[in-house]
Amino acid sequence: AQSVSQHNHHVILSEAASLELGCNYSYGGTVNLFWYVQYPGQHLQLLLKYFSGDPLVKGIKGFEAEFIKSKFSFNLRKPSVQWSDTAEYFCAVTRNTPLVFGKGTRLSVIA
Amino acid sequence: GAGVSQTPSNKVTEKGKYVELRCDPISGHTALYWYRQSLGQGPEFLIYFQGTGAADDSGLPNDRFFAVRPEGSVSTLKIQRTERGDSAVYLCASSPAGRAVDYTSSTSTDTQYFGPGTRLTVL
Repeated sequence: AQSVSQHNHHVILSEAASLELGCNYSYGGTVNLFWYVQYPGQHLQLLLKYFSGDPLVKGIKGFEAEFIKSKFSFNLRKPSVQWSDTAEYFCAVTRNTPLVFGKGTRLSVIA
Repeated sequence: GAGVSQTPSNKVTEKGKYVELRCDPISGHTALYWYRQSLGQGPEFLIYFQGTGAADDSGLPNDRFFAVRPEGSVSTLKIQRTERGDSAVYLCASSPAGRAVDYTSSTSTDTQYFGPGTRLTVL
């Protein structure tokens, strides 16, 4: 069965620090990849997605992710985080199957 | 509103009771999904509707769980004889066309949009 691993359970960063959240998946075929974000008290929102084409995907709020097929990875990055980026981040994978989510990474940004 | 809505936002019930959770998808979306999110976990798939029919119910944990979407729009997740282990946030999502993904298009039809969830607590 497909699985998604998010390596970091909780990440604490100072404002302006760079961010990289790891995501690895188990499925070997063509996949669709997503990052969702859940701000405190809010519902899941799509941050960015990869379906095909350029493996470097840009999303909202300055986030980007790079699909590396050989490493089965889709890591999320942001050059400079802000306090408002404090949230839980979920990586998800699908290929004509239901979305399979990782357990999430909680990001805390401190001033 | 333009988003997915779910009611109630919170539901507290006693062990053994029956509950119904409602989802209103984005207008025009043919695909509807139910997920369950337990504390400290990512959402886990329960069931997927394409139109009125359940295209995939492989995630339903047992026969106490059932969902319907009789007119291809609103969906109801029904849980019989609730147990304390059923306590979780139940999420609904909809997408324009479900799993028929056009890999050549950058405007994919398979992005799922989530509702705020229903927090179910079974005492």
